[in-house]
Amino acid sequence: GENVEQHPSTLSVQEGDSAVIKCTYSDSASNYFPWYKQELGKRPQLIIDIRSNVGEKKDQRIAVTLNKTAKHFSLHITETQPEDSAVYFCAAKRAGNMLTFGGGTRLMVKP
Amino acid sequence: DVKVTQSSRYLVKRTGEKVFLECVQDMDHENMFWYRQDPGLGLRLIYFSYDVKMKEKGDIPEGYSVSREKKERFSLILESASTNQTSMYLCASSSGGRVSYEQYFGPGTRLTVT
Repeated sequence: GENVEQHPSTLSVQEGDSAVIKCTYSDSASNYFPWYKQELGKRPQLIIDIRSNVGEKKDQRIAVTLNKTAKHFSLHITETQPEDSAVYFCAAKRAGNMLTFGGGTRLMVKP
Repeated sequence: DVKVTQSSRYLVKRTGEKVFLECVQDMDHENMFWYRQDPGLGLRLIYFSYDVKMKEKGDIPEGYSVSREKKERFSLILESASTNQTSMYLCASSSGGRVSYEQYFGPGTRLTVT
């Protein structure tokens, strides 16, 4: 089955710096890769996603890149702000509409 | 706005008890999911349902069962709760087809088994 690994597990950055979170997946048939953000005490919410026919997608300060050959994808957050502090999860779609999630990255943005 | 609700935010049960966790979505979504969330392990899929009365095992189905008698409602059942089932349980739903795979999550139920 699909296996998704996510690194790092914790990331601390200074406000205004960039943050990068990386994920690798095992199933070459996966074709959809979302990123979810979970603020403390709240439910996970989709922040950006990418399909396998696209190499990069951007939405304001966040971007996701996908390398299908290497089977890895990354989340990039520029000009980080304190409200970016949260746990971020990557995921890869497998058969049906199921997702396999990575272990999560706790991002802390220090003011 | 999609709304996914769960029956309880916090639940404390004793070992051996039968536990029911309920999830309701109001967007007529075909797909519903149950996950458990543990630190460092991300979200692990317990069961998935793609239609009324239809279900598929996820990655960690042992010790759990599910029921989907109506499209909007998906229940997770712990037949005989054990301490290793202490966790945060999240329900999610998504529409069918290939237009959108986005999953909408409920607020979660923190279950403690003593």
